[in-house]
Amino acid sequence: NAGVTQTPKFQVLKTGQSMTLQCAQDMNHEYMSWYRQDPGMGLRLIHYSVGAGITDQGEVPNGYNVSRSTTEDFPLRLLSAAPSQTSVYFCASSNPGRKNTEAFFGQGTRLTVV
Amino acid sequence: DAKTTQPNSMESNEEEPVHLPCNHSTISGTDYIHWYRQLPSQGPEYVIHGLTSNVNNRMASLAIAEDRKSSTLILHRATLRDAAVYYCILSRVRNSGNTPLVFGKGTRLSVIA
Repeated sequence: NAGVTQTPKFQVLKTGQSMTLQCAQDMNHEYMSWYRQDPGMGLRLIHYSVGAGITDQGEVPNGYNVSRSTTEDFPLRLLSAAPSQTSVYFCASSNPGRKNTEAFFGQGTRLTVV
Repeated sequence: DAKTTQPNSMESNEEEPVHLPCNHSTISGTDYIHWYRQLPSQGPEYVIHGLTSNVNNRMASLAIAEDRKSSTLILHRATLRDAAVYYCILSRVRNSGNTPLVFGKGTRLSVIA
């Protein structure tokens, strides 16, 4: 199983450029989330989705847009990159249901904005 | 949302048991207790979760206090591969959809050979 796949693995952007970080999962999970992790810090929730067509903001949503048109994909868009968005980005998926089952994480996208 | 408190760091000798504590004094009745860990340069991985009763799996055991205001992740024999940051997280079951996982700073576990 591929699990959660993030692309690209590494990216360098210039300030003001836009880009989309891709996240795809093949486990038919309803829930998907995006996190960022700055050096030496824990993960912070950017946006999340509880199903196709439904998204919500997390702790640090400013500067990022998301959409969820399919169950499999949850892209994260940076409309105008800023150096403060330099970070490692992780995507996660899960089907928590009533038993609150485990989340699966991708390997991350390391983004540098210069 | 209920918060968790963990020590910043802990150290263990290889092949000895490790008890990682977590306080969650404001936990509600529908909050599940999750533990994830993050190995260097990797995404977080699931370790274990529970609601009220103690839980065991191939990776670890989770001991939950009777009042549910604290829990302990137990690694029975630490190996060098267990060196990681361990996160204790609460996730609430709701009719509108369970709350997403919100990570704190976790406990950095060092394992000494």
